[in-house]
Parts: sequence; C-alpha cells; structure tokens
Amino acid sequence: AQTVTQSQPEMSVQEAETVTLSCTYDTSESDYYLFWYKQPPSRQMILVIRQEAYKQQNATENRFSVNFQKAAKSFSLKISDSQLGDAAMYFCAYRSSRGQTGANNLFFGTGTRLTVIP
Amino acid sequence: KAGVTQTPRYLIKTRGQQVTLSCSPISGHRSVSWYQQTPGQGLQFLFEYFSETQRNKGNFPGRFSGRQFSNSRSEMNVSTLELGDSALYLCASSNRDRGRDEQFFGPGTRLTVL
Repeated sequence: AQTVTQSQPEMSVQEAETVTLSCTYDTSESDYYLFWYKQPPSRQMILVIRQEAYKQQNATENRFSVNFQKAAKSFSLKISDSQLGDAAMYFCAYRSSRGQTGANNLFFGTGTRLTVIP
Repeated sequence: KAGVTQTPRYLIKTRGQQVTLSCSPISGHRSVSWYQQTPGQGLQFLFEYFSETQRNKGNFPGRFSGRQFSNSRSEMNVSTLELGDSALYLCASSNRDRGRDEQFFGPGTRLTVL
C-alpha cells in the first residue's frame, strides 16, 4: 500500500521569506501523481500544485514550486515570498496512475501546519 | 462555475442513529470521492462514484455506504453511528473521464456524534 509521510507537524516562516515543506512517500509503482493541497482554517481544501512522476521537470505555480526526487521518493514544496494568506495546513498526497489500477483516490500525509509570522 | 457544495455543513447526531450527507459536484464532473478527516487518523478515502457506479472503496465498515444519482450528485450514508464517526466528511469531484484528474474539494460536513 502507498504511504505518504510528512515529518514536520508544524513549521513557521517570516512574511516574505521562503519555507520548504517535506514529504516522502512509499510506492512500488513507477507511474503516479503527487499533489500538495492547502487547507486554510475555513476548511476548504485547495489544490496548490501537482507533479506527474514521468516528468523530470519540477512543477511550478507562481510562488510555489516542488523538488521532486523520484529515486529518493521525495516531494518537497517550496513557498517563496511567504504571505499571511499562506498560513494553513498543507497536505501532501499521492495518486496511482489511473492506467494501472483505475483508482482515483488520494493517499494523504498527516499534514504540516504552516504559520506565517508578520 | 460553482464549486463543490456539501449539505449540511454541520450535523449533530446521537449514537445508533443514521445520517445522510449530500454532495453536489462541479457541473460536468462525473466522479465524486468521499473522504473522512479526523485528528487521529487524518484524511482517509471512503469511496468513489463515477457514472452512478462505485468504482473504488476504502477500508471502512459496511455501515458506510453511498450512492450517486444520474445528475452526478452523491450521498453518503452512515448507519448505526458510533462516537468514532465524529469527523469532517469531505467530498471531491473530478473530471476523470476527460483526462483532468485534479480533485476539487467541497467545504465539508462536520458530523458530531454524541
């Protein structure tokens, strides 16, 4: 079974600074998808960024970027120029390639609570 | 385009009762997945429905069931409620049949079992 591990329960960052959230996963599959989701206190889960395992290039979405290390099974999220609105719970998630199992479900890590200090 | 909606947002029940939660996906999305979120177990997958058929199921007892209607709206039912069923129940919709597999989440239903 796939497992996703987030070893940092809490992180804090100064406004305008950069922070990196860690995520590792365990899988025997070669093709899969990885995601970072953000859950602010309002509870609405929002997709931040996604990465296809077959792509070597790291995904980037504005101030958010990932460092995807497939061999190490590592998928970290870097937030640049942190803003107060970035404060939230961040979840790393794994999804199998649909072509292999047909499954569409996400396996989530336990989350990292990010605090942004003004 | 409207997002995923869930009703009710909050629910209080007592042990032994049953409850039905509703989820309306984004227009055009035919896949609806349900997740349970608790402080102890985190986010766990319950089941997925696609075109009115259950496509995948997580490791939950048979007390948890669901269905999907022809308009893609989905309901989740929990029978014989237990204290441990207290959780935030999230549903997510996706457009998996068109190669877009991002899941968009609703605001959740907070269920409290007394």
